[in-house]
Amino acid sequence: NAGVTQTPKFQVLKTGQSMTLQCAQDMNHNSMYWYRQDPGMGLRLIYYSASEGTTDKGEVPNGYNVSRLNKREFSLRLESAAPSQTSVYFCASSDVDTDTQYFGPGTRLTVL
Amino acid sequence: TQLLEQSPQFLSIQEGENLTVYCNSSSVFSSLQWYRQEPGEGPVLLVTVVTGGEVKKLKRLTFQFGDARKDSSLHITAAQPGDTGLYLCISSYDKVIFGPGTSLSVIP
Repeated sequence: NAGVTQTPKFQVLKTGQSMTLQCAQDMNHNSMYWYRQDPGMGLRLIYYSASEGTTDKGEVPNGYNVSRLNKREFSLRLESAAPSQTSVYFCASSDVDTDTQYFGPGTRLTVL
Repeated sequence: TQLLEQSPQFLSIQEGENLTVYCNSSSVFSSLQWYRQEPGEGPVLLVTVVTGGEVKKLKRLTFQFGDARKDSSLHITAAQPGDTGLYLCISSYDKVIFGPGTSLSVIP
């Protein structure tokens, strides 16, 4: 099992450009999450999906959109990137029976 | 709103030393998890504590959950360079909340 995979690993954008971060899990988990991690602020939830076909806002959703394409895949889109969105983005999935979250390796995004 | 605080924020120690890091909340935890995040990687679960007063050991790591379930500690005995990383506590009260983390550096 690959667990949780994310692409790309690194990305540099110019202000106003758009991009989609891809995430996939092969553990048959119902719940999937997108977080951003900034120095001194820990991990903050952007969006989550409790099951296929549903998505909900987290703590910091502004400037982002998500799509739960199927049970395996959960994508995060930046429509018009801003320097404030420079961060490391983590995707995670979890099992309904436990609170354990399994994280991907992260995408390091820089917006110039 | 439940908040998680972790202390210290940064810790740099010599190999072989012992250390303790803390996680505290203004509210009662339903459960608490400790994760370790190595540089360039995503967080990985170390342990979950559920019962007040619970103590769990994972090799040289000892996790304690406070009796009132509002605080937790992680003690590392004889730290090694491989212990270097960011230690995060996570609470699953009505939603998942992350502490800001303790960044540990173990110098050979």
